[in-house]
This record gives sequence, structure tokens and C-alpha cells, in this order.
Amino acid sequence: AQTVTQSQPEMSVQEAETVTLSCTYDTSESDYYLFWYKQPPSRQMILVIRQEAYKQQNATENRFSVNFQKAAKSFSLKISDSQLGDAAMYFCAYRSSSFQGAQKLVFGQGTRLTINP
Amino acid sequence: NAGVMQNPRHLVRRRGQEARLRCSPMKGHSHVYWYRQLPEEGLKFMVYLQKENIIDESGMPKERFSAEFPKEGPSILRIQQVVRGDSAAYFCASSPGRIGYGYTFGSGTRLTVV
Repeated sequence: AQTVTQSQPEMSVQEAETVTLSCTYDTSESDYYLFWYKQPPSRQMILVIRQEAYKQQNATENRFSVNFQKAAKSFSLKISDSQLGDAAMYFCAYRSSSFQGAQKLVFGQGTRLTINP
Repeated sequence: NAGVMQNPRHLVRRRGQEARLRCSPMKGHSHVYWYRQLPEEGLKFMVYLQKENIIDESGMPKERFSAEFPKEGPSILRIQQVVRGDSAAYFCASSPGRIGYGYTFGSGTRLTVV
């Protein structure tokens, strides 16, 4: 079974600085999807960024980018120019591309990100 | 264009009562997923349903929990004889197809058992 590990329960960063959140995963599959979700205090789960494993190019969405290291099974999220609105829990998630496993997301434990003004 | 609608947002039940959580998927989405989030943890998959069918319930506790997605109306997650350990946030998500590129999540229902 796949597992996702986020080893940083909490992180903090000064406003306008850059922060990197770590995520590692374990799988025997070669094709899969990886996601970062943001959960603010409102509890809404918001998709931040996604990456297909077969794509070597790292995904980027405005101030958010990932460092995808397939061999190392690492998928870190970099947030540039941090803003107060970025404060939230961040979850890394894995989804298989196989027919059987493709329906469920496997989540890490989350990293609580605090932005210091 | 309403997103995934879950209600109630908060639900308080006494031990032994039943809890019913509702989820209306996004318009055009016929696939529904339920997840549970215990305090300070990530979301854990519970069940995947299509209209009138349970496709994967591998994450559902064997007793007291059931889910349905009828032909008409919302998907229902039902917890019978609730216990304190059922206190959690329950999230519903929907997608338009079997290998959905991504889900859209609802805002969750926070169940508190007293």
C-alpha cells in the first residue's frame, strides 16, 4: 500500500520570504499523481498544485512550485513571496493511476504553516 | 455554479444516537467520495460511490457505518450508535468520471459526539 509522509508538523516563515514543505511517499508503481492541498481554518480543502509522475518537468502555479524527485520519491512544495493568506495546513497526497487504486487519495499527516508579518 | 455542498456543517450527537451526513455533488458529477479527518491528521479514504452503487468501501469501518448515493438526492453517510471516537470532520468530494483528474471537496461536516 502507498504511504505519504510529511515530516514537518509545523513550519513558519516571514511574510514575503520563501518556504519549502517536504513530502516523501512510498509506492511500487511507476505512474501516479501527486497533489498538494491547502486547508485554511475554514476547513475547505483547496487544490494548490498537482504533478503527473510521468512528467519530468516540475509543476508551477504562480507562487507555488514543486520539486519532484521521482527516484527519491520526494515531492516538496515551495511557496515564494509568502503572504498572510498562505497560512494553513498543507497536505501532500498521492493517487494511483491504476484502475483499481485511482479513486482514492492517500494523504500525509499535514504541515501547519504560519506566516509571520 | 455551486460546488460540493455538505450539510450540516456541524452536528452534535449523544453517544448511541445516529448521525446522517449529506453530500450533494457538483452539477454533472456522478462520482462521490467520503473521507474522514481525525484531529491533527490527514484525510483518510472511506468509500467511493456512483449513483446507486458502492464501488469501493475498503476504508469503511465494518460496523455502524454505511453510505449510499441514490438515483435522486444527495449521498448520505450514516453512522449508527455513535461513539466518542467517531468525532471527526467528514469530507465529501465529487468528480465527473471514473478516472477523475481531481476531486472537488466540500467544506466538511464536523461531527461531535458527547
